[in-house]
Amino acid sequence: DAEITQSPRHKITETGRQVTLACHQTWNHNNMFWYRQDLGHGLRLIHYSYGVQDTNKGEVSDGYSVSRSNTEDLPLTLESAASSQTSVYFCASGYSGTGSNEQFFGPGTRLTVL
Amino acid sequence: AQKITQTQPGMFVQEKEAVTLDCTYDTSDPSYGLFWYKQPSSGEMIFLIYQGSYDQQNATEGRYSLNFQKARKSANLVISASQLGDSAMYFCAMTESQTGANNLFFGTGTRLTIIP
Repeated sequence: DAEITQSPRHKITETGRQVTLACHQTWNHNNMFWYRQDLGHGLRLIHYSYGVQDTNKGEVSDGYSVSRSNTEDLPLTLESAASSQTSVYFCASGYSGTGSNEQFFGPGTRLTVL
Repeated sequence: AQKITQTQPGMFVQEKEAVTLDCTYDTSDPSYGLFWYKQPSSGEMIFLIYQGSYDQQNATEGRYSLNFQKARKSANLVISASQLGDSAMYFCAMTESQTGANNLFFGTGTRLTIIP
């Protein structure tokens, strides 16, 4: 069965370290997204990609970067982790085009920056 | 301005009763989509229902229906005959064609608790 996975599921790191969160989908979706979830904010879009070599900034992109070298993967990198980046991170993927663009979410990664 | 507003941080409902979760949205784009997601305590995001801005009829999916009132810019989720398993966070979300037809903007959520 097609799926979307994230790794690691839990991560503790220190301020200033570089961290990469992995996202892998087997749906063959063109569109992939990274969100962060914080209390009182719901989910907010960090970066997104509409295809290989395409990346775009979302609402809260400062301090984050992504790259898309193939259809299946969209890793999220925190260049220099900050305590404000402690959050739960969700990766999602979906079909292209308008309409009922359901996004399929991964299980989430809980990141703690000490 | 907030694109999606959910004014009910928490709700308690008796089992088997119907429940309405409120959602209002703000957009000037004539082409948009409205979504509801469920997040149980285990943390995963589960898609429930979708309504397109040009859809003439309210969307329904099993016990879920979306009460779409375009003039009032509201997209309330109605759950009929609530069950204990409906206890979860519920998020309303929107996409707009002018800001990327595939990018979701989420509300802050409503925590629903079903009382036996």
